[in-house]
Amino acid sequence: DAGVTQSPTHLIKTRGQQVTLRCSPKSGHDTVSWYQQALGQGPQFIFQYYEEEERQRGNFPDRFSGHQFPNYSSELNVNALLLGDSALYLCASSWGSAGGSNEQFFGPGTRLTVL
Amino acid sequence: GNSVTQMEGPVTLSEEAFLTINCTYTATGYPSLFWYVQYPGEGLQLLLKATKADDKGSNKGFEATYRKETTSFHLEKGSVQVSDSAVYFCALSGYSSASKIIFGSGTRLSIRP
Repeated sequence: DAGVTQSPTHLIKTRGQQVTLRCSPKSGHDTVSWYQQALGQGPQFIFQYYEEEERQRGNFPDRFSGHQFPNYSSELNVNALLLGDSALYLCASSWGSAGGSNEQFFGPGTRLTVL
Repeated sequence: GNSVTQMEGPVTLSEEAFLTINCTYTATGYPSLFWYVQYPGEGLQLLLKATKADDKGSNKGFEATYRKETTSFHLEKGSVQVSDSAVYFCALSGYSSASKIIFGSGTRLSIRP
């Protein structure tokens, strides 16, 4: 079992650019959640995808968008990058159907640096 | 809204010392409570969890008890090792599989040999 995988590992962008981060969930999981972890802080919930739709969203601007594919993998897109978007972006997967556990399994993260 | 407050770090202890990291929460309803650990250069790993009042979660010598009366979920270990050096996050989540996880700000723990 490969667990949750994310790509790329590291990314450097400049202000105003756009970025796409990718996540493959753990085998058997159908739900993907994304979190932003700023340096020295706890992760903050961005949004969650289930059945290819955004199921809930945290307090992040519309510059942050996502997508889930039929194979349950997911992308996080950030437009018009700001310096403050520099962070570790974590993907977590879970079994989201009725009766599923609230336990989420995290990937190693993508470190985004905005210059 | 729901929130988690945990002891600020960094915490530095000698090997074999007793560890307590305090965590309190504010939540409506009956959340599940978690401790996650983040080792240097690695992702978040679930350390232990408790899903209802008076439950005790335990793993790798760490323990935490869900105390509804004090809204607390303090992490303890009787004898820490150098390999326990990491950042520890207290967190809560609703009972549903659709629930997001709300994290505390993290406590960095360093263990001296």
